Amino acid sequence: AQSVAQPEDQVNVAEGNPLTVKCTYSVSGNPYLFWYVQYPNRGLQFLLKYITGDNLVKGSYGFEAEFNKSQTSFHLKKPSALVSDSALYFCAVRDLNSGGYQKVTFGIGTKLQVIP
Amino acid sequence: DADVTQTPRNRITKTGKRIMLECSQTKGHDRMYWYRQDPGLGLRLIYYSFDVKDINKGEISDGYSVSRQAQAKFSLSLESAIPNQTALYFCATSGTSGREQFFGPGTRLTVL
Repeated sequence: AQSVAQPEDQVNVAEGNPLTVKCTYSVSGNPYLFWYVQYPNRGLQFLLKYITGDNLVKGSYGFEAEFNKSQTSFHLKKPSALVSDSALYFCAVRDLNSGGYQKVTFGIGTKLQVIP
Repeated sequence: DADVTQTPRNRITKTGKRIMLECSQTKGHDRMYWYRQDPGLGLRLIYYSFDVKDINKGEISDGYSVSRQAQAKFSLSLESAIPNQTALYFCATSGTSGREQFFGPGTRLTVL
C-alpha cells in the first residue's frame, strides 16, 4: 500500500527566510509526486509535480521540490518566504506501477505560517 | 469563471435528511472525484468516475452515493445524513492522463 507522511503539523518561518515543508512517501513501484496548496476557504491548488528526470522540480509561486529516491522524500522549498505563502500544504503520491486505477494518496497537510 | 464549481458552498442539515452536493466543470476532463477533508486526516476519496458510464467506490463510500449526469457534472448524495459526515467536501477533476487534479472550492457540510 502507498502512503505519504508529513511529519510536521505546522511550520513557522520568518518572512524572507528560506522554508522547507517535509514529505516522505512509500510506494511499491515508481512514484508520481505532487504538492498542493490550500488557502483558507479555497480548494486545493496544484503547485508542482515530479514524474521523472531532474530531481529538482520548479513550480508555481517560486516553490520548488527536491526528489530524493534513497530517502523517499519530496520536500517542498522556497528560498525566501512571503506572508502570502501562509497556507495548508499537501503532499500526494501515485504509484505508477500499481496497475488499474492509480489512486492518489494525500498527506494530512502541513500548516505553513510565515511571520512578518 | 472558476473551472470547477460546487453548490452549495455551505449547508447545515439535520440527521436523517437526504443531501445532494453538486459539482460542475468546464475543463473538459473525463475524470471526476469526490473527497472529504477532515482535520488531521487529510483528504479521503469517496467516489471517482472516469466517464459517464464508469463510477467506482473510493476508500470511504459507505453512506454516500453519486451520479454522473454528464461529462461535466458529478453529484454526491448523502442518503441519510449523520453527524460524523460533517466535513469539508471537495470535487476534483483530472485529464485522461490521470495527472494533477483540479479542485472546486469545497462545500462545508454540517449535520446536526
